Amino acid sequence: DSGVTQTPKHLITATGQRVTLRCSPRSGDLSVYWYQQSLDQGLQFLIQYYNGEERAKGNILERFSAQQFPDLHSELNLSSLELGDSALYFCASNRDRGFTGELFFGEGSRLTVL
Amino acid sequence: SQQGEEDPQALSIQEGENATMNCSYKTSINNLQWYRQNSGRGLVHLILIRSNEREKHSGRLRVTLDTSKKSSSLLITASRAADTASYFCATDISNSGYALNFGKGTSLLVTP
Repeated sequence: DSGVTQTPKHLITATGQRVTLRCSPRSGDLSVYWYQQSLDQGLQFLIQYYNGEERAKGNILERFSAQQFPDLHSELNLSSLELGDSALYFCASNRDRGFTGELFFGEGSRLTVL
Repeated sequence: SQQGEEDPQALSIQEGENATMNCSYKTSINNLQWYRQNSGRGLVHLILIRSNEREKHSGRLRVTLDTSKKSSSLLITASRAADTASYFCATDISNSGYALNFGKGTSLLVTP
């Protein structure tokens, strides 16, 4: 158990809809990272928050947004969903601002868009 | 975009054999990490090697890093069926902030 909690574990929705994925980092971790894993694209970095502030941005679509709240949990919002958004979405956390150490991953949220 | 690329894409061996996976990357790095993912599960950190290190060991794992060739290898000795998983290398790059970028992974199957 990594200590990172993600909900929901599975989500099935229709094209055009909006969903919110939630992540609770390990106790004491200030950084939260979101990744998308699909068969064709592999594991893609989306965005990082550190102590409530956006720190780094990767291949995140404009239809996607994220935030980190004062209690350090984070939410990833996916809107106007398309079939291609079907993927595993992972949250990871660590104590660092950067990448000086390992990331601790949650078990992921599997999104299926029909 | 992928910074690291693992090779081979898939590897099948028998228990007791050694498994070697390679990773190549494109730009200079501060450190390189290896992660393991059981099917459909979260990634688990295995080992981190810094750019000024050449070799590192952890249990049955041995990682090497050649910064002149921009490559790394992960060796798992005396493989077990429980080692069946996907293995990813990850490198830190500076883009818009720092990011840890993963390759597409090597799928390892260890048969009894």
